[in-house]
Amino acid sequence: SQQGEEDPQALSIQEGENATMNCSYKTSINNLQWYRQNSGRGLVHLILIRSNEREKHSGRLRVTLDTSKKSSSLLITASRAADTASYFCATDDSSASKIIFGSGTRLSIRP
Amino acid sequence: KAGVTQTPRYLIKTRGQQVTLSCSPISGHRSVSWYQQTPGQGLQFLFEYFSETQRNKGNFPGRFSGRQFSNSRSEMNVSTLELGDSALYLCASSLGPAGNTEAFFGQGTRLTVV
Repeated sequence: SQQGEEDPQALSIQEGENATMNCSYKTSINNLQWYRQNSGRGLVHLILIRSNEREKHSGRLRVTLDTSKKSSSLLITASRAADTASYFCATDDSSASKIIFGSGTRLSIRP
Repeated sequence: KAGVTQTPRYLIKTRGQQVTLSCSPISGHRSVSWYQQTPGQGLQFLFEYFSETQRNKGNFPGRFSGRQFSNSRSEMNVSTLELGDSALYLCASSLGPAGNTEAFFGQGTRLTVV
């Protein structure tokens, strides 16, 4: 079963606009990560946020974490065509030895 | 620094056969984990190895097995293949437990069972 559910399932925006994706999870976590996947290839790690952190930035990415609501959001600012991909949130299990992925958001950037 | 290498990239097998997939992690990484990705089930955790020991296992039948060698390279084996085993199999390596640290993924092996 999957831990996280991303919302929306698909998102299409104009180049230059901001894209926001949300992730909800079910159990207590130590960490939450976001990954990007291009066209069924390998996943690329974007950012890791620990349960005691509320917000983290990396370049054009901004991630927030609300452990009381068991939710996280990923904001991509000033989107580019190269941002077209599927984005997954992933949480650890109690042993922290595995990642449990959400269902993903397919992001399309229109030129 | 070389990335995670998975071989082969593509594979076609017949129902009932068995298959072995290989993963070479980034040098110095001792944790290797395996995932199955299908359109219907998404990304599902298979198992994680650290220093040749399986530390965690997902909810897959015993037909799915794996091992890790002393050089951290890992293999996964699927016996008695079923059509539903058709998927992209991804391997990830990390310095520590995958849930705690950045995991680096290979390009995957796309297995088609006919």
